[in-house]
Amino acid sequence: QQPVQSPQAVILREGEDAVINCSSSKALYSVHWYRQKHGEAPVFLMILLKGGEQKGHDKISASFNEKKQQSSLYLTASQLSYSGTYFCGTESSSSNTGKLIFGQGTTLQVKP
Amino acid sequence: DAGVTQSPTHLIKTRGQHVTLRCSPISGHKSVSWYQQVLGQGPQFIFQYYEKEERGRGNFPDRFSARQFPNYSSELNVNALLLGDSALYLCASSRRGASTDTQYFGPGTRLTVL
Repeated sequence: QQPVQSPQAVILREGEDAVINCSSSKALYSVHWYRQKHGEAPVFLMILLKGGEQKGHDKISASFNEKKQQSSLYLTASQLSYSGTYFCGTESSSSNTGKLIFGQGTTLQVKP
Repeated sequence: DAGVTQSPTHLIKTRGQHVTLRCSPISGHKSVSWYQQVLGQGPQFIFQYYEKEERGRGNFPDRFSARQFPNYSSELNVNALLLGDSALYLCASSRRGASTDTQYFGPGTRLTVL
């Protein structure tokens, strides 16, 4: 079952904050966040494992709520370079198949 | 270190033809996964290989096949191409293919079927 991302698109001014949500109807083992710019490969941002941990580097952080089967990506003080499409990829078990199920993506546009 | 490499970059084929896409993982990575990304959508899982063995398969027809070589590089083969096979094909490598491993994506092969 494909996770659902919200919002589908968001437009920000530089310096503003954004939150992107990823929800699944299945129990999750791990959530992987990627950013993809037009015509390029997805670039890894971070991975979260079940246990409700929160991770972050620089001004991008994420949380994983195992009970709600939801992960959120937080972008603070956005920069022009943050523009792109954000995907969450989820894995429902520790079966080690490397099978990530990706959401439909959230398009973020940061304007000067 | 070099990242994941894929060849060719672009490919144009006609319906019914066969295509082979190639992927070289990051040095030290033993697992390769293949994804299909249609314009405007997220990547869709096709296969995962680890140590030359198929470990996972997505919901794709038997026209899709893959293999992994002793040097951990991989090929994705698609037979009897359909218009709907037009997409960006992404290869991702990871150390062991475990759920906790980071998958690093290559630049992809853009396949157009006419």
